[in-house]
Amino acid sequence: GQNIDQPTEMTATEGAIVQINCTYQTSGFNGLFWYQQHAGEAPTFLSYNVLDGLEEKGRFSSFLSRSKGYSYLLLKELQMKDSASYLCAVMDSNYQLIWGAGTKLIIKP
Amino acid sequence: SAVISQKPSRDICQRGTSLTIQCQVDSQVTMMFWYRQQPGQSLTLIATANQGSEATYESGFVIDKFPISRPNLTFSTLTVSNMSPEDSSIYLCSASAGEGDTGELFFGEGSRLTVL
Repeated sequence: GQNIDQPTEMTATEGAIVQINCTYQTSGFNGLFWYQQHAGEAPTFLSYNVLDGLEEKGRFSSFLSRSKGYSYLLLKELQMKDSASYLCAVMDSNYQLIWGAGTKLIIKP
Repeated sequence: SAVISQKPSRDICQRGTSLTIQCQVDSQVTMMFWYRQQPGQSLTLIATANQGSEATYESGFVIDKFPISRPNLTFSTLTVSNMSPEDSSIYLCSASAGEGDTGELFFGEGSRLTVL
């Protein structure tokens, strides 16, 4: 079966760095997405990785290792507004998106 | 980018009734999708809304229960028919504005349905 695993909840301190991991087992691979979803709001796109390595975009970076079926989202200089759920999603060989359950990130002052 | 408007944003419905959710995109998009999201759970794809033809449903979802229309490239509706409390969920419309199937998804703000 196809499976996306990510921690249910993480807590971090304002100004710090946090890494949210995502491991996947899918039928083929056509890219991995990270989305941010604030409570009661729509998910918004953060990043897309299809090749191995690190993609940096401001305070957010996303890493992919296809051989390990592994990705992480790195958030630097955390701000209170970063409190949200972070969804990992993988596009399989049929271009179907397989979604993780999301990681709820709690930022404390 | 694409801005997606959904309505209603929330509703409380009686068992056995049906409700239609509307989704309007501010630009022409290639793909439109309907998702369901239970609190604290992942997004579950209900179907792909195809313009001018029948929607493509995922396993566990059928047209009689979730009829979908997509009359043009910017508009779609999802009807939740003969509702039961198990249908209480957030229903999200999404669209892909990218080329092919690897474009990023844009989401509406969701329609929160509570079935009594």
